[in-house]
Amino acid sequence: KAGVTQTPRYLIKTRGQQVTLSCSPISGHRSVSWYQQTPGQGLQFLFEYFSETQRNKGNFPGRFSGRQFSNSRSEMNVSTLELGDSALYLCASRRDGGMNTEAFFGQGTRLTVV
Amino acid sequence: GNSVTQMEGPVTLSEEAFLTINCTYTATGYPSLFWYVQYPGEGLQLLLKATKADDKGSNKGFEATYRKETTSFHLEKGSVQVSDSAVYFCALTPEWGAQKLVFGQGTRLTINP
Repeated sequence: KAGVTQTPRYLIKTRGQQVTLSCSPISGHRSVSWYQQTPGQGLQFLFEYFSETQRNKGNFPGRFSGRQFSNSRSEMNVSTLELGDSALYLCASRRDGGMNTEAFFGQGTRLTVV
Repeated sequence: GNSVTQMEGPVTLSEEAFLTINCTYTATGYPSLFWYVQYPGEGLQLLLKATKADDKGSNKGFEATYRKETTSFHLEKGSVQVSDSAVYFCALTPEWGAQKLVFGQGTRLTINP
């Protein structure tokens, strides 16, 4: 079956702009989580959506937002981009919200802010 | 709060050497524990997991045992291959609260032929 698909794979944006990243989870998966990966901070949790509702949120400013659609596809948006937002953004899908449920990751979107 | 600490990298070994990557965690209750692997240019892949104390996760020759008494989940492999070169992440999901993955900082492993 198809894996987690993230688009686009690469993005270059200018400071102050906004960006939208997309994630299509594995068919039948209802939970989508987003993570930011940087060399300095490692992998940090942004937020999780389950059945179109944001269930959990990490410690990021309000410039980072997201949503989930009825088909479980998710988007995250970053407004007023800063240089420090340059990172690999990873999306993970899970079948349900249980703690033991395996998370499947996409290949990520590499965002560069110049 | 919940946290994961991994041994500092990078780690460089020769092919067929024995591998250990140390991982310890801080969490209340009984978290689930995971090892993920990231190959160059790729996302994360689950390598193995353990969901309760004394469980042993294993996959592709890698093993890790959930040790509650030492709050550890060390990754081991008896004989590494060049294809094992990657970045390895130890992670947990807490028993209570937000069902998110909390990751260690990652350990870059390079295997030389």
